[in-house]
Amino acid sequence: DTEVTQTPKHLVMGMTNKKSLKCEQHMGHRAMYWYKQKAKKPPELMFVYSYEKLSINESVPSRFSPECPNSSLLNLHLHALQPEDSALYLCASSQVGQGAGGYTFGSGTRLTVV
Amino acid sequence: AQSVTQLGSHVSVSEGALVLLRCNYSSSVPPYLFWYVQYPNQGLQLLLKYTTGATLVKGINGFEAEFKKSETSFHLTKPSAHMSDAAEYFCAVRLSSGSARQLTFGSGTQLTVLP
Repeated sequence: DTEVTQTPKHLVMGMTNKKSLKCEQHMGHRAMYWYKQKAKKPPELMFVYSYEKLSINESVPSRFSPECPNSSLLNLHLHALQPEDSALYLCASSQVGQGAGGYTFGSGTRLTVV
Repeated sequence: AQSVTQLGSHVSVSEGALVLLRCNYSSSVPPYLFWYVQYPNQGLQLLLKYTTGATLVKGINGFEAEFKKSETSFHLTKPSAHMSDAAEYFCAVRLSSGSARQLTFGSGTQLTVLP
């Protein structure tokens, strides 16, 4: 299995809703990432998990809450989002350490906040 | 620290013509370099990567790139463009030293292929 699977593919939520994005990989990668991508822009790093521990938080607002329950799963919990949070949310995974190559990206969740 | 500069936010080529997308990087240690492609409303797909060894790297869909340390460049080429190549292309750099570190992306190049 060489894929990163993200669900749902599309999500519309109100500003008072609570929702979660899910990401799963079975490649044995021990680093997992959340990125946010606005239209016509490169992905922006949000969070990095290494060996299931949060290692990087790029000053993301607390309305985004990541969780890594095990080495294969990564969640992003959403609460009280703003319309400007509408974007494509990408999950990625990679090996850790020297010799590590590139990231494998999922196909993303298109989030619309209304 | 590392950074990536992609020259040209939009590139148009005719079908069958050479594709050349430019990428220059800055890195304090030997880098790993990548090209990703993104089709509309999809995630990023790895085209090719340079880590060590041969500096001419071949990827999927007929693309290749050459790592030139003296020029700090990693330009992406394809001899003959196809309509299906129309997409957004991102160059990215990652430090070769260990631990989980983020990719640094260039700003992207939108490739248009004209019939």
